[in-house]
Amino acid sequence: GAGVSQSPSNKVTEKGKDVELRCDPISGHTALYWYRQSLGQGLEFLIYFQGNSAPDKSGLPSDRFSAERTGGSVSTLTIQRTQQEDSAVYLCASSLQAPRVGQPQHFGDGTRLSIL
Amino acid sequence: ELKVEQNPLFLSMQEGKNYTIYCNYSTTSDRLYWYRQDPGKSLESLFVLLSNGAVKQEGRLMASLDTKARLSTLHITAAVHDLSATYFCAVDSYNFNKFYFGSGTKLNVKP
Repeated sequence: GAGVSQSPSNKVTEKGKDVELRCDPISGHTALYWYRQSLGQGLEFLIYFQGNSAPDKSGLPSDRFSAERTGGSVSTLTIQRTQQEDSAVYLCASSLQAPRVGQPQHFGDGTRLSIL
Repeated sequence: ELKVEQNPLFLSMQEGKNYTIYCNYSTTSDRLYWYRQDPGKSLESLFVLLSNGAVKQEGRLMASLDTKARLSTLHITAAVHDLSATYFCAVDSYNFNKFYFGSGTKLNVKP
């Protein structure tokens, strides 16, 4: 497809389990972003990758969260020992060039994560 | 930390009316982004404003940026029901490594 693809679209898991969320950006897009959106709220920035590098990881909510990107393409966001407050929609976006160029971000449909 | 404030947070208006959504941010930035989100859907880019005084228009929506006032506006002209959605503004940090979104303005245009 031509857009940003995220999987799974929905994930229900028990508290304490680890989850892995995947994002396939638009082909050729060098910048990739992860956000979290809680019900009825705005977007909380988590992390940004330029190529395979994340210049600033301080947006990740806790050390249970980690993210990586390989081959300048696919990215995974991993949450270890999930807690109920981790329940949210996790959105991935990509842009053609680095943010300093000033381009819009193209968003995927998100992964709806529910922690029981 | 950079703060982005939108107002109003909720807006109910009649078709055919005009209104403005405001986006204030707390640090110097010369770029501002507007997005639209329909219920249950992801975000769609509307405008990218890259300099002071920038103005962009698409259909019934017009966005402007005043970097000195740290203010962007999204003006709606002669609203129609199809414009009902949540509108977000966003800015990036000085080093472009973080992005900050406003809380969103939920617009409901009544027929």
